[in-house]
Amino acid sequence: DAGVIQSPRHEVTEMGQEVTLRCKPISGHDYLFWYRQTMMRGLELLIYFNNNVPIDDSGMPEDRFSAKMPNASFSTLKIQPSEPRDSAVYFCASSTDVGDQPQHFGDGTRLSIL
Amino acid sequence: GENVEQHPSTLSVQEGDSAVIKCTYSDSASNYFPWYKQELGKRPQLIIDIRSNVGEKKDQRIAVTLNKTAKHFSLHITETQPEDSAVYFCAATPNRDDKIIFGKGTRLHILP
Repeated sequence: DAGVIQSPRHEVTEMGQEVTLRCKPISGHDYLFWYRQTMMRGLELLIYFNNNVPIDDSGMPEDRFSAKMPNASFSTLKIQPSEPRDSAVYFCASSTDVGDQPQHFGDGTRLSIL
Repeated sequence: GENVEQHPSTLSVQEGDSAVIKCTYSDSASNYFPWYKQELGKRPQLIIDIRSNVGEKKDQRIAVTLNKTAKHFSLHITETQPEDSAVYFCAATPNRDDKIIFGKGTRLHILP
């Protein structure tokens, strides 16, 4: 079991650029979660999918953020255009259930928008 | 909706002493309470969890207690060691079909 795999690990880009974060969940996990972590706001759930379908995107900050899950083994989180306040660590997690089982986190993507 | 409060936000204890982190939740229907540990620069990892049909659970130096009447649960770490230094997050789930709600985290420092 390779765990949840995220890429890239670090991303530095200038404001206004498009940013795409990638995630491969653990095989067999039907739920995928995207989180954002900052010192000020802690760990925030942005969106989660069940069987590739977005279920709850109420945490997505604004229209600049979008997430997709085209198949069971791949998801993307896109920010366009990026802003300095989007700088954070973005985690992807997967689980066999939405709220009744542990979530397995990836190593995260540290995003810096200059 | 569910709300999870965690305190203290920072805790310093002498190596070898015990550490206790407390959380309260608002939704009496919550039934799953995991605890995650996040070391500096690393990902959150589950260290222990408890379900509403159990009052206490232990795993070596770590224990979690749950008081459903008072709607609070606590993490206890005994004989603390330097590698226990990390941020700890509690969480609760209103029901199995709903998303987990995380607390804001407790930064634990183990002093030499």
